[in-house]
Amino acid sequence: NAGVTQTPKFQVLKTGQSMTLQCAQDMNHNSMYWYRQDPGMGLRLIYYSASEGTTDKGEVPNGYNVSRLNKREFSLRLESAAPSQTSVYFCASSEYPTGGSNTEAFFGQGTRLTVV
Amino acid sequence: GENVEQHPSTLSVQEGDSAVIKCTYSDSASNYFPWYKQELGKRPQLIIDIRSNVGEKKDQRIAVTLNKTAKHFSLHITETQPEDSAVYFCAARNMNRDDKIIFGKGTRLHILP
Repeated sequence: NAGVTQTPKFQVLKTGQSMTLQCAQDMNHNSMYWYRQDPGMGLRLIYYSASEGTTDKGEVPNGYNVSRLNKREFSLRLESAAPSQTSVYFCASSEYPTGGSNTEAFFGQGTRLTVV
Repeated sequence: GENVEQHPSTLSVQEGDSAVIKCTYSDSASNYFPWYKQELGKRPQLIIDIRSNVGEKKDQRIAVTLNKTAKHFSLHITETQPEDSAVYFCAARNMNRDDKIIFGKGTRLHILP
């Protein structure tokens, strides 16, 4: 059981380049999230998807786009990378909580992105 | 939208003493409050959580308390051990609406020998 898998683990981009971070979960979760983690700033929500076919902005969506390709996969795209997007990116997934269902959010191992 | 404030940002305690981390939230509709621990270079992992219909929850040396009226919740770690050194994050989630999970900025806990 792999849980939440992110690719790549490390990436260096030049300013203006584009890239897509991939995330897949095998727990049949409805909700998926993308966060960025910067020193002293905690985990800030970029975008989330409460179900297949829906996506919504989080706290810091500017400069990013997302696609919920199917129930398993949720990708994050940087169209024109900027140095301010240097960060560690985490994908997470969770069951959409109903009644007494498990509400734990599981995280991927993270992607360390550097934009030069 | 929801805003979660967490204090302190850094906390140092002697091994064996207790540690308390506090969080406040702004959206009274939030109804689920998890705490995550993140060790250096690793992913955050859930350590304890509480729902809004419960005032306190305990799991061995870890406990969480929730005051819905004041919109604050706290993590209590007793008999601290070296392996408790990590960054701890609180979060708030509205399970009835949009299902966003908003995190606090984190507390770096140092356990001193």
